[in-house]
Amino acid sequence: GDSVTQMEGPVTLSEEAFLTINCTYTATGYPSLFWYVQYPGEGLQLLLKATKADDKGSNKGFEATYRKETTSFHLEKGSVQVSDSAVYFCALTSNTGNQFYFGTGTSLTVIP
Amino acid sequence: GAGVSQTPSNKVTEKGKYVELRCDPISGHTALYWYRQSLGQGPEFLIYFQGTGAADDSGLPNDRFFAVRPEGSVSTLKIQRTERGDSAMYLCASSLAGEVTGELFFGEGSRLTVL
Repeated sequence: GDSVTQMEGPVTLSEEAFLTINCTYTATGYPSLFWYVQYPGEGLQLLLKATKADDKGSNKGFEATYRKETTSFHLEKGSVQVSDSAVYFCALTSNTGNQFYFGTGTSLTVIP
Repeated sequence: GAGVSQTPSNKVTEKGKYVELRCDPISGHTALYWYRQSLGQGPEFLIYFQGTGAADDSGLPNDRFFAVRPEGSVSTLKIQRTERGDSAMYLCASSLAGEVTGELFFGEGSRLTVL
């Protein structure tokens, strides 16, 4: 079945460091890929998405590129801020249905 | 409010009791989802409604779990004979109809604790 695997945390970085959170997927057909973020005390919210191969999603300085050849959708940011501290979830939805499949989440803490 | 609203935010109950969790989606969103999230895990799909009907209930773990959406807006997740293993955060999300590649809008969740 469809699934998402993302790197385990927690991740602790200093402010202005480079961030990569790895995500790989297994899916039939041509899934759409997402990164959702959960800030402390808040609900999950969409960070970025890509709906077809080679698309790059971007938002708030974060980027992720849909790589079909490596079945990956790694999240990157060149310079993290304290306000980026949150839990990040990789997710996919198959074009054959309406289910969203989420990874287990990666907790990020950015220290000043 | 403009977002997805879930009540109660916290519910503590005893083993064997009946529980209802409510979700009020964003106005105009015909698709509604229930997820369950255990500590340290990602959201796990339970059920998906398109309008009033359950289009996919394959994620409900057993027949103690049931969900309704009688008027195509508010939904209630019902858990009978609760067990300690049911303790989790229950998340509701809504989206525009037909937006398979679209965005889910989540509520802040209802945390259920079964003693």
